[in-house]
Amino acid sequence: EADIYQTPRYLVIGTGKKITLECSQTMGHDKMYWYQQDPGMELHLIHYSYGVNSTEKGDLSSESTVSRIRTEHFPLTLESARPSHTSQYLCASSESTISTDTQYFGPGTRLTVL
Amino acid sequence: KNQVEQSPQSLIILEGKNCTLQCNYTVSPFSNLRWYKQDTGRGPVSLTIMTFSENTKSNGRYTATLDADTKQSSLHITASQLSDSASYICVVSDRGSTLGRLYFGRGTQLTVWP
Repeated sequence: EADIYQTPRYLVIGTGKKITLECSQTMGHDKMYWYQQDPGMELHLIHYSYGVNSTEKGDLSSESTVSRIRTEHFPLTLESARPSHTSQYLCASSESTISTDTQYFGPGTRLTVL
Repeated sequence: KNQVEQSPQSLIILEGKNCTLQCNYTVSPFSNLRWYKQDTGRGPVSLTIMTFSENTKSNGRYTATLDADTKQSSLHITASQLSDSASYICVVSDRGSTLGRLYFGRGTQLTVWP
């Protein structure tokens, strides 16, 4: 089982609130990712990081922002939540940057914005 | 356009039966193909990975095949168990390098009934 953790697991929040989704891994992986997944749909990469102080936008445009101040921590922030942000957010990490390396996923945060 | 298509969208089988899930892709160039298992409310877990030169890979009761010429892959599950109930996601990478991008299918939702 992968040592990657996400909190909270479930979050219901009102429109306009600022939220931060936490992701931590204890494997010492340099590369970390955030994906967004709607029911029955494919995962979409929204952010990734090669290491400390490195953050990049993914394939899917997102109003969220991320930071990477420590290797093990990769939080995602929404400054003003909207109903369109309702989705499942999955965090992942991998040991290196080559695509044959396994990505290990956290359990996800299911976000509902009312 | 690079795409990954999976079929069927959903499948119900009885415990102990075998089943085969399909994945067709148009991703080019091709580096590797991976099958993930995603339990409800959890993050995906890697089952197998195959590169261009590999045409079969097994992991316990899971056997994946790859035909790089026809751009098709299948995941065969033998003697299904209730714990096999999950979504099975096919993921294709276009490059085995830091430039590699992952293309996700929407998954096949498998339900195993007792």
